[in-house]
Amino acid sequence: AQKITQTQPGMFVQEKEAVTLDCTYDTSDPSYGLFWYKQPSSGEMIFLIYQGSYDQQNATEGRYSLNFQKARKSANLVISASQLGDSAMYFCAMSLINTGNQFYFGTGTSLTVIP
Amino acid sequence: NAGVTQTPKFQVLKTGQSMTLQCAQDMNHNSMYWYRQDPGMGLRLIYYSASEGTTDKGEVPNGYNVSRLNKREFSLRLESAAPSQTSVYFCASSQRSRIEAFFGQGTRLTVV
Repeated sequence: AQKITQTQPGMFVQEKEAVTLDCTYDTSDPSYGLFWYKQPSSGEMIFLIYQGSYDQQNATEGRYSLNFQKARKSANLVISASQLGDSAMYFCAMSLINTGNQFYFGTGTSLTVIP
Repeated sequence: NAGVTQTPKFQVLKTGQSMTLQCAQDMNHNSMYWYRQDPGMGLRLIYYSASEGTTDKGEVPNGYNVSRLNKREFSLRLESAAPSQTSVYFCASSQRSRIEAFFGQGTRLTVV
């Protein structure tokens, strides 16, 4: 069975510091995509970053980077220079090409940025 | 840019009542999904439709039915609502699994 694990229910970070949110995944499918979404208190799901299983380089999008370690099946999100507006829930997700484009989500990490 | 539109945004039902959650996307996406979000559980897939005319069960399909009316629309029906179905429901769509899924604003459903 496909699975996404986020082991940090809550995290705190000082403003302007970097923070790493952990995500591990489990699949036997060789072709998959890994995603991070942000959900602020307003409730919408905001796409942050994508990493394909065949991508050689780690994905980056502005202050977000994805630390992809394929052998360890981890896809950690690194947020640099944290801002107060980064306080939100963060979800790691995986999609599988060979199973009808299903997306699987982790249970999320609540990030609080402290001024 | 409408993206994914869900209706209604809020709903209160009595146990045993039925209702349909509507979802439409204007991005010409093939795949559409229904998720429920509960505290501490993340998003769990209820049903998905990989293409027009097909639907498949996800992790938590019991108590729900879906219809992929056309490429744009994917509805979720609760035939006999139960308090355990109190949740926030999200509809999403994607073109293929290497591209992100786009989400609607969510429907907050309370069953009393």
